[in-house]
Amino acid sequence: AQTVTQSQPEMSVQEAETVTLSCTYDTSENNYYLFWYKQPPSRQMILVIRQEAYKQQNATENRFSVNFQKAAKSFSLKISDSQLGDTAMYFCAFMKLRTSGSRLTFGEGTQLTVNP
Amino acid sequence: NAGVTQTPKFRILKIGQSMTLQCTQDMNHNYMYWYRQDPGMGLKLIYYSVGAGITDKGEVPNGYNVSRSTTEDFPLRLELAAPSQTSVYFCASSYSMDPGLADTDTQYFGPGTRLTVL
Repeated sequence: AQTVTQSQPEMSVQEAETVTLSCTYDTSENNYYLFWYKQPPSRQMILVIRQEAYKQQNATENRFSVNFQKAAKSFSLKISDSQLGDTAMYFCAFMKLRTSGSRLTFGEGTQLTVNP
Repeated sequence: NAGVTQTPKFRILKIGQSMTLQCTQDMNHNYMYWYRQDPGMGLKLIYYSVGAGITDKGEVPNGYNVSRSTTEDFPLRLELAAPSQTSVYFCASSYSMDPGLADTDTQYFGPGTRLTVL
């Protein structure tokens, strides 16, 4: 079974600064996806970014980028130019491709607070 | 597109009562999922469906049932509600047919249902 670990329950950052959230996972699979989801106080789960394991290039989405280290099974999220609206719980998630219904396995989350 | 919609938003049940949480998606996704999120935790998979008429258990299926008679709808049934089922329930859907599509397998979530069992 896959496991996802987020070792930072809480983090804070000043507005406009950069912050990195950590995620490690354990799997014997070679093909899989990794995701970061954001959950603001509204509770809505919002996709931030996704990474395909077969791609060596790190995914980027505007101010959000990842550092994907496949051998180390590490998948960190970097948020640049942090904004107050980035305050949320961030979940790292793993998906084994198209087996067992392409289910997601979530970490326990990191609460990020952006301070003015 | 409305995306994934869930009803109700909130519900309080008494122990032993039953209810159905509704989930509908209008994106023509073939896969649908039910997760629960306990306070301070990540989401755990209850049940999933890979198409109409096909369902399977996730990590925490006990106390729940599902059905999938149409592509759009995936209701979750709670029988004999217990305090341990107090949680926030999320429905999600994804398209998992064409590996070449950039969006394949990305799950999109509904707004959630907060359920309290007293």
